[in-house]
Amino acid sequence: DGGITQSPKYLFRKEGQNVTLSCEQNLNHDAMYWYRQDPGQGLRLIYYSQIVNDFQKGDIAEGYSVSREKKESFPLTVTSAQKNPTAFYLCASSPKPGLAGGPTASWEQYFGPGTRLTVT
Amino acid sequence: GESVGLHLPTLSVQEGDNSIINCAYSNSASDYFIWYKQESGKGPQFIIDIRSNMDKRQGQRVTVLLNKTVKHLSLQIAATQPGDSAVYFCAENILGGDKIIFGKGTRLHILP
Repeated sequence: DGGITQSPKYLFRKEGQNVTLSCEQNLNHDAMYWYRQDPGQGLRLIYYSQIVNDFQKGDIAEGYSVSREKKESFPLTVTSAQKNPTAFYLCASSPKPGLAGGPTASWEQYFGPGTRLTVT
Repeated sequence: GESVGLHLPTLSVQEGDNSIINCAYSNSASDYFIWYKQESGKGPQFIIDIRSNMDKRQGQRVTVLLNKTVKHLSLQIAATQPGDSAVYFCAENILGGDKIIFGKGTRLHILP
């Protein structure tokens, strides 16, 4: 079925290693987002991209990097500089940035199933 | 700090009763609000949204109420079912901003 996919569902890495999380969407959405979720917490924005070849830092970008070479793909790299990388990572996409859509635009984001990263 | 927050981290409701999940926000420029449902181990799913020019919106078994005077948002779920068991997040967009901000979430627990 169409939608937004993340792989793998579970990922284990040793401390000091970089790891890249995959996010792909076939919804033809312009905007894509990466969030981090810790146990019992809300979603915190890491990076987002509103258009191909452009992205912006979110609230907790330190230790992470992204690329947006294709509209359908927005991979996230968790670098060794991220001090506490173990978390549940969620990718999302939306049709267009809500602001660009005018007063009736929706900010609805479509989420992937998430990747649970454990670093030991 | 976060603009969006919740009054209760956990809400327990008897099956069949109505559930009311509350959310407070602090920014008067907040223009748009969304409720998401997140089941264990899954990504959040959109439930319903509301713009600041409305004070009520209804969906299937859900109603969102917005009180701009006291900066309060609520999600009402009618006839709560076991499948409603999840964490519910409210999120807001501030007018002129290019992202949404999530609150911490409320866990809804259904009692048999």
